[in-house]
Amino acid sequence: RKEVEQDPGPFNVPEGATVAFNCTYSNSASQSFFWYRQDCRKEPKLLMSVYSSGNEDGRFTAQLNRASQYISLLIRDSKLSDSATYLCVVTLLTDSWGKLQFGAGTQVVVTP
Amino acid sequence: DAGVTQSPTHLIKTRGQHVTLRCSPISGHKSVSWYQQVLGQGPQFIFQYYEKEERGRGNFPDRFSARQFPNYSSELNVNALLLGDSALYLCASSFQSNQPQHFGDGTRLSIL
Repeated sequence: RKEVEQDPGPFNVPEGATVAFNCTYSNSASQSFFWYRQDCRKEPKLLMSVYSSGNEDGRFTAQLNRASQYISLLIRDSKLSDSATYLCVVTLLTDSWGKLQFGAGTQVVVTP
Repeated sequence: DAGVTQSPTHLIKTRGQHVTLRCSPISGHKSVSWYQQVLGQGPQFIFQYYEKEERGRGNFPDRFSARQFPNYSSELNVNALLLGDSALYLCASSFQSNQPQHFGDGTRLSIL
């Protein structure tokens, strides 16, 4: 079983709509959580950290559910520029803190 | 300020050759991590170096090695290249454990 699993998508979203997707993690010792976005053939870029109380950054909202071991990302009022692959990332308490565990990514395609 | 810089951007090698990839972290960052990303997958952790010492190693064969220099730049070396080593190699840096990692543009390595 993979440490971090994501629905690969693609999620086809009309411009202006809301899209949400989850990521599940298998290790209860996971301690830090992030969402990165990656454009085609580019490097991953940090979108936001995910905190236990949930957090919002503009049109993006991230939630963490430790009991069910998943994190979620919601994008409101989708823009064409939101089209990308969204990578779920966790770190483990038992690993070196420099080790990020990535999911395979969820592809989002925002259409006009 | 300059971000994480990697060189070269693209590289073509043949099976059995060796390769050296280079990374310069963001100024002031002392931790460098290396990742391999094959097409359709999330990045996989290879190594982490902090203060010139190896702090973490992923599940990669001994053909992969790395080091960090006094100026915190880093090299990733891969010997006896295989076709399966074709991937995007990403370097990420961070200042300390509770800070997110920032990625360079990557080196795209193709093995013929």
